[in-house]
Amino acid sequence: ETGVTQTPRHLVMGMTNKKSLKCEQHLGHNAMYWYKQSAKKPLELMFVYSLEERVENNSVPSRFSPECPNSSHLFLHLHTLQPEDSALYLCASSQDPLARAYEQYFGPGTRLTVT
Amino acid sequence: GENVEQHPSTLSVQEGDSAVIKCTYSDSASNYFPWYKQELGKRPQLIIDIRSNVGEKKDQRIAVTLNKTAKHFSLHITETQPEDSAVYFCAAMEGGGADGLTFGKGTHLIIQP
Repeated sequence: ETGVTQTPRHLVMGMTNKKSLKCEQHLGHNAMYWYKQSAKKPLELMFVYSLEERVENNSVPSRFSPECPNSSHLFLHLHTLQPEDSALYLCASSQDPLARAYEQYFGPGTRLTVT
Repeated sequence: GENVEQHPSTLSVQEGDSAVIKCTYSDSASNYFPWYKQELGKRPQLIIDIRSNVGEKKDQRIAVTLNKTAKHFSLHITETQPEDSAVYFCAAMEGGGADGLTFGKGTHLIIQP
């Protein structure tokens, strides 16, 4: 499946590092999302972009900084993370929420380990 | 904000039997309820969804029911097969704008041969 891709698939970083996660969708969608998946916790919505405008920020710490340069690309910039930030970070996209086309397609995720 | 509760956390059924997973939600404005299946090490994939103007939807061995008054919805899998073993997540979303999904904690479904 190549509709939504994420790189890197695995990332190990120290608490003082700066890194970025990349998501790309090839589905012509207008909305993109970042979710965090930790063990034994629900998938947590982090950020929503619709038509490249950030719509929602679910009280995410400022050490996570999203960027959406166009409707096909979404980044998550990471700096001074904590060990508890270790998780699977999933990107998703949907066609057009305003047109009630809600189905979200997920990428394979980036497994992040903060040491 | 929305809060979604999902039960049970683990469900073990004999192959061929039916499985039922239940979810409740808190925000009466939510109007879209998808179910995702996530196999080990893979991405969540949509298996069925329902909107608030419908009470039941079926797709082969899978069905979802929605009770808006009680704010609960359920996933039913009949004639379970080994490949149904996975973690299933319910979710809810208020569809007035570009909102993300609020997920339940997931149910680990185990199909016993």
